[in-house]
Amino acid sequence: DSGVTQTPKHLITATGQRVTLRCSPRSGDLSVYWYQQSLDQGLQFLIQYYNGEERAKGNILERFSAQQFPDLHSELNLSSLELGDSALYFCASSSQGLQSTGELFFGEGSRLTVL
Amino acid sequence: DQQVKQNSPSLSVQEGRISILNCDYTNSMFDYFLWYKKYPAEGPTFLISISSIKDKNEDGRFTVFLNKSAKHLSLHIVPSQPGDSAVYFCAASENTGFQKLVFGTGTRLLVSP
Repeated sequence: DSGVTQTPKHLITATGQRVTLRCSPRSGDLSVYWYQQSLDQGLQFLIQYYNGEERAKGNILERFSAQQFPDLHSELNLSSLELGDSALYFCASSSQGLQSTGELFFGEGSRLTVL
Repeated sequence: DQQVKQNSPSLSVQEGRISILNCDYTNSMFDYFLWYKKYPAEGPTFLISISSIKDKNEDGRFTVFLNKSAKHLSLHIVPSQPGDSAVYFCAASENTGFQKLVFGTGTRLLVSP
């Protein structure tokens, strides 16, 4: 158990819809990261938040947005869903401040299926 | 543009033998490298790391080698055990102060008894 909690574990929805994925980081971790893993692909970095502020952005579509709340949990919002958005979405957290240690703690992922 | 590449999608090894997983990268600014292991229905878990100032790091049965001139790293598992069967991801980052890991596509290792 990594200590990172993601909900829901599975989600099936239709094209054009909007979903929200939720992540609770490990206790004390200030950084939250979102990654997308499509079929047979590596983990693609989407976005990172540190203590409520956006710190780094990857290949995140404009239809996607995220935020980190004062209690440090984070939400990833996916809108106008397309078939190609079907993927595993991982949240990870780390305790880093201004020093990077490299190790991220991953949740079990949210599997999104768009029909 | 795939900055971190794992060209072998799968590897089969017999129990007790050595498993060697390879990873190549293109970004010369990467200075920290990690290996993650992933079992089905679980998130990736950290296995071992190496910084660019070293060429080898060892942790029990796991050793990571880094060849900066070739932009290549490898993970050696000796001896391999059936419980090592998983997908292994190589990842790399630049030391920007805020971590952004770039992952490879993974290598599925199967260790047979």
